[in-house]
Amino acid sequence: GESVGLHLPTLSVQEGDNSIINCAYSNSASDYFIWYKQESGKGPQFIIDIRSNMDKRQGQRVTVLLNKTVKHLSLQIAATQPGDSAVYFCAEKGYSSASKIIFGSGTRLSIRP
Amino acid sequence: EPEVTQTPSHQVTQMGQEVILRCVPISNHLYFYWYRQILGQKVEFLVSFYNNEISEKSEIFDDQFSVERPDGSNFTLKIRSTKLEDSAMYFCASSGEQGGYTFGSGTRLTVV
Repeated sequence: GESVGLHLPTLSVQEGDNSIINCAYSNSASDYFIWYKQESGKGPQFIIDIRSNMDKRQGQRVTVLLNKTVKHLSLQIAATQPGDSAVYFCAEKGYSSASKIIFGSGTRLSIRP
Repeated sequence: EPEVTQTPSHQVTQMGQEVILRCVPISNHLYFYWYRQILGQKVEFLVSFYNNEISEKSEIFDDQFSVERPDGSNFTLKIRSTKLEDSAMYFCASSGEQGGYTFGSGTRLTVV
């Protein structure tokens, strides 16, 4: 069935440290994954995506790693800042433009000063 | 940067009443969606809409729900007879042929 899940509901990180948020998925046929950030009172905001033909993709301060062998996805945020405080969702989407997005349960990232 | 606009930001309604949530998708997008998020839970897909018809819907999207694109700019979600359990954030999203999947800021629906 459809399942994209997260390991931890909350993560607390010291400002300036790196954050790692993990996600597991169950459908081995999944081929496109997205990380979203959701700040309080706002909609999901795209952070970074990765296709199954890749195992790593980097953006500005963010890196997504995909391990298809163990069906695991992670989001790494370098030099975490107060503005990174949010709930982070991993999500799966079909390949076509019209495909729905299947969200995981979310990890709340909080930053300690 | 283009945005998906949703109104109202907060809607309070009595159980059994009809509500219409409104969305203005990004102007050159062709695919439209509604999602909902019950407080503290994950975002759930409700329905997708393309070429003036529903292309996919979830089991949440029962006969109490309907969607419409009444003109060239608006996309609405109607809940015919609201229940307490319909209380949630409702997010509209749109995407184009080349992607650009964008969510609005949501409407918080409170059914009392």
